[in-house]
Amino acid sequence: GQQVMQIPQYQHVQEGEDFTTYCNSSTTLSNIQWYKQRPGGHPVFLIQLVKSGEVKKQKRLTFQFGEAKKNSSLHITATQTTDVGTYFCAGIHSGGYQKVTFGTGTKLQVIP
Amino acid sequence: SQTIHQWPATLVQPVGSPLSLECTVEGTSNPNLYWYRQAAGRGLQLLFYSVGIGQISSEVPQNLSASRPQDRQFILSSKKLLLSDSGFYLCAWSTGKYTEAFFGQGTRLTVV
Repeated sequence: GQQVMQIPQYQHVQEGEDFTTYCNSSTTLSNIQWYKQRPGGHPVFLIQLVKSGEVKKQKRLTFQFGEAKKNSSLHITATQTTDVGTYFCAGIHSGGYQKVTFGTGTKLQVIP
Repeated sequence: SQTIHQWPATLVQPVGSPLSLECTVEGTSNPNLYWYRQAAGRGLQLLFYSVGIGQISSEVPQNLSASRPQDRQFILSSKKLLLSDSGFYLCAWSTGKYTEAFFGQGTRLTVV
């Protein structure tokens, strides 16, 4: 079956440092989504990437979709304590089924 | 606007007892519905998804089942809970393929 892996599993950064999480799928994706889950909360949608090589920015967050549509990355510039949480990528696979496969997640801790 | 309700928020159940978690969506029709489970500190595991009334697809064989008796109602059940069923259960909906998922607040289930 389809698998979506993320690295690293955990990341501790000093406030102000940059952070990147990488997402890799075992199969080609139609789209990829990114979600953020605050501690004790539920995942909240951040963005969706559709096109090969696409790059999107949201303030300090930069999202990229690989050329082969099998990998993606989320980069946060100058982290803040409000960035704490677990970041999940979610791959929507090519095919007839309408489901999303979530990555394993990267838990970000920001040290003030 | 659309909202998703999931209850209860927390639940402590003995091993071998039955389970029923309910999720309802308001403000939309014919949503795709999903049940996910998240073990402590882990990623999201898709359990069931439904693209219409009475249409349930199971992703992981286990002692859980799901039903969709009405368009905007999704129920997760078990006849006999196991210790390994403990976790954070999340219901989610989307308007269809390639769209973002909206999550409920989740139910934290502890089987003792």
